[in-house]
Amino acid sequence: QVQLQESGPGLVKPSETLSLTCTVSGGSISSYRWSWIRQPPGKGLEWIGFVYTSGNTNYNPSFKSRVTTSVDTSKNQFSLHLNSVTAADTAVYYCARVGYSTSSDWFDPWGQGTLVTVSS
Amino acid sequence: DIQMTQSPSSLSASVGDRVTITCRASQSISNYLNWYQEKPGKAPKLLIYAASDLQTGVPSRFSGSGSGTDFTLTISSLQPEDFATYSCQQSYSFPWTFGQGTKVDI
Repeated sequence: QVQLQESGPGLVKPSETLSLTCTVSGGSISSYRWSWIRQPPGKGLEWIGFVYTSGNTNYNPSFKSRVTTSVDTSKNQFSLHLNSVTAADTAVYYCARVGYSTSSDWFDPWGQGTLVTVSS
Repeated sequence: DIQMTQSPSSLSASVGDRVTITCRASQSISNYLNWYQEKPGKAPKLLIYAASDLQTGVPSRFSGSGSGTDFTLTISSLQPEDFATYSCQQSYSFPWTFGQGTKVDI
């Protein structure tokens, strides 16, 4: 079955760019939307955005212009870049596939998540 | 943004108990509501989508109901592996939002 795995630095300095990659295995990345979600310590889950394999995107306005996502179909990977990070961006970051029906859109499967700490 | 409010925030239960978790949306979301199970260090798991559809492979003791603004996740007979945090999520309108989670412990 499809599995997702996040990778990237676990420590990022304030004002720098957080960059993560999600590798999709067990299936093709094509024809789906791929999403990023995060969970700050002690808080609930927060949707960041998703990217189509066409490259089109949809982002949570909370992240304004700080976020970009991209897809590399040749590597079966998609990426997240969040710039100008602060301590408030410290969180476990998850990648997930977006499933859908006529009645809903959901996240399944998910990666295990990676903790990113923003600190100098 | 649509606010998702879960209750209770936490609960204590025993193996075999019937557990009910509620999720309320700040406006009507039809049945665009999903439920997830979270365990530390593990990938979150989709349990229910579209308010009441059981994801393939999820035990039938899990069920979901509701429409509009009020939704319920029920575990009919709690098993040891069910001690976890449960979160709801709406996909009715952007930005998609989650509830704050309900922790189920012993």
